This record gives sequence, structure tokens and C-alpha cells, in this order.
Amino acid sequence: GQNIDQPTEMTATEGAIVQINCTYQTSGFNGLFWYQQHAGEAPTFLSYNVLDGLEEKGRFSSFLSRSKGYSYLLLKELQMKDSASYLCAVRALTGANNLFFGTGTRLTVIP
Amino acid sequence: ETGVTQTPRHLVMGMTNKKSLKCEQHLGHNAMYWYKQSAKKPLELMFVYSLEERVENNSVPSRFSPECPNSSHLFLHLHTLQPEDSALYLCASSQDSGTQYFGPGTRLLVL
Repeated sequence: GQNIDQPTEMTATEGAIVQINCTYQTSGFNGLFWYQQHAGEAPTFLSYNVLDGLEEKGRFSSFLSRSKGYSYLLLKELQMKDSASYLCAVRALTGANNLFFGTGTRLTVIP
Repeated sequence: ETGVTQTPRHLVMGMTNKKSLKCEQHLGHNAMYWYKQSAKKPLELMFVYSLEERVENNSVPSRFSPECPNSSHLFLHLHTLQPEDSALYLCASSQDSGTQYFGPGTRLLVL
């Protein structure tokens, strides 16, 4: 089976750095995705990791450790518009490109 | 972002009604997905279509009936739903097993 855990809520200050963690247990691993979802909108793709290490994309970075079943999304220079839910999703080895999602972390950025 | 569109955006229906949700992707992808997103629960994969054939049915009740007439369009036909079916229904598409791109969803309320 699949189990993906991430914190339910986080609050951070504008201009600061925040790290959103995700731990997973899967019967087969074929990559980890992070999506951003603003209220009432579509989840939008942020990053993809399949090998260990850090992937940097502008203000956002994502890290993966397959041996620890652990990933984090790092957001730098926080802006008010970064207030959203951040979804961690693991792709299984079996099935038709099945993604298994965590419940999402609702990030609130305060002035 | 208009790569994946969904209509209607909001739907209220009674338990005896029949309605359909529509999804259209303009990305040239060959796989499409239906997900259910309920409050405080992870996104749940419902159906997967690859090259217009259903390749995954994730134990979804028969009151939900998908249809994929071509690689650009996906429907979810609804009949005799229950109040617990109220949720956000998200459509996504991908090229093969690549990154999935989501539509904005249909917010469904069953009375």
C-alpha cells in the first residue's frame, strides 16, 4: 500500500524561508511530485524528483532521499501569493502512472 | 493556464438526477484521469484512460460512469449519487507516464 504524510498547516512570514516535509511509504517508487493548489483552482505542477538530491527552480527547491522515504519543498523569499496548499504525490511503479497524494499542507504567508 | 478545462465549474444535483461532467485537454496528451478531492482527504484517483481505453478503475461505485470518446475529451456521468459524493472532481492529462496537468475542477454538491 501507499502512505504519504505531510503537515496539515504551516504559517510563515513574508520574505522568509519555509520547508514543507513529506514522508512516504510505498510498495514501489517511481518519482515524487510537488503541486501547488490555490483555493478553488487547479493543482499546478511545481517539481519532480526521481533521483536523490536537490532540484532547484527559482524560489522553489525540492529534495528527495529515497532511502529515507523523505522529501521536502523549500520556498525562499516568501510572497503573499505563495499562500496555498502544497500537495506531495508519489508515483507508483505499478499501475497506469498512478499518483498517490498526501492530504496537502496549507501554507499561510503573513505580512 | 487553459491546457485542461472542465465544465461545469459548479454543480448542484439531487440524488435522483443524472448529470455529466466534461473535461477537455488542449495539450496533445494521450492519457486522462479523474480524481475526487474531499475536504481534509488526499486526492483519490478514480479512473485512468490511456489511448482512449480505460486502464484503471479504482474501486469506484457504478453510479460514476466514465467515458472517453477521444484523446482530448473525458466525461464523468453521474446518476443516483449520495450526499457523501459531494466533492471537487478534478480531471488531469499526461503524455504517457509523464507529469499530470490538472483542470480547475467541478465543485459538486449532492442534496
